Amino acid sequence: GAVVSQHPSRVICKSGTSVKIECRSLDFQATTMFWYRQFPKQSLMLMATSNEGSKATYEQGVEKDKFLINHASLTLSTLTVTSAHPEDSSFYICSARDSGGFQETQYFGPGTRLLVL
Amino acid sequence: QKEVEQDPGPLSVPEGAIVSLNCTYSNSAFQYFMWYRQYSRKGPELLMYTYSSGNKEDGRFTAQVDKSSKYISLFIRDSQPSDSATYLCAMKLTGGGNKLTFGTGTQLKVEL
Repeated sequence: GAVVSQHPSRVICKSGTSVKIECRSLDFQATTMFWYRQFPKQSLMLMATSNEGSKATYEQGVEKDKFLINHASLTLSTLTVTSAHPEDSSFYICSARDSGGFQETQYFGPGTRLLVL
Repeated sequence: QKEVEQDPGPLSVPEGAIVSLNCTYSNSAFQYFMWYRQYSRKGPELLMYTYSSGNKEDGRFTAQVDKSSKYISLFIRDSQPSDSATYLCAMKLTGGGNKLTFGTGTQLKVEL
């Protein structure tokens, strides 16, 4: 149980284009999902908290208009990187909190590697 | 000073060894403590979680929390090459919303 999927697993795009990443909880409902960014040999940095049916909460320093988050259902959250630039290249990981389980743990997706040329 | 400190390693041990991984933290309000394992180019996988101080054992893994010293540990017994990964500690405040604070991770390599 507690499986989280992400799609795509890897994406290469040109500078200036937008990229959408999907995060799905496969066997549980998640009213709250999280988006992280991880640089090589560094820890996970929380970008935003995605709440089903309401606006996402962004961490300080994260541009809301740059990283659009939508959490339209209890099993799906999307992150759209708008007008991507090479500095946006990173490993993006989502996680989900099981609404019916132990509230303090998060289950992570496999990550999406974004490369902006 | 970072809120959570973790030696990045790499830590190299022979197969069968007991591995000790540690994190220290500065915020005494942290109450929930977790260990995640992350293989290269994959998302983190939850290994252990504990609340407040004490020990918790699951198979070859034992998590310890010493709140008085602000120190947490993960022990791996009979280590296997498949344990080679990066181990991240994470912690959370009670009533602190959803935010997990992570260590930088320790890279572990178990050699044959």
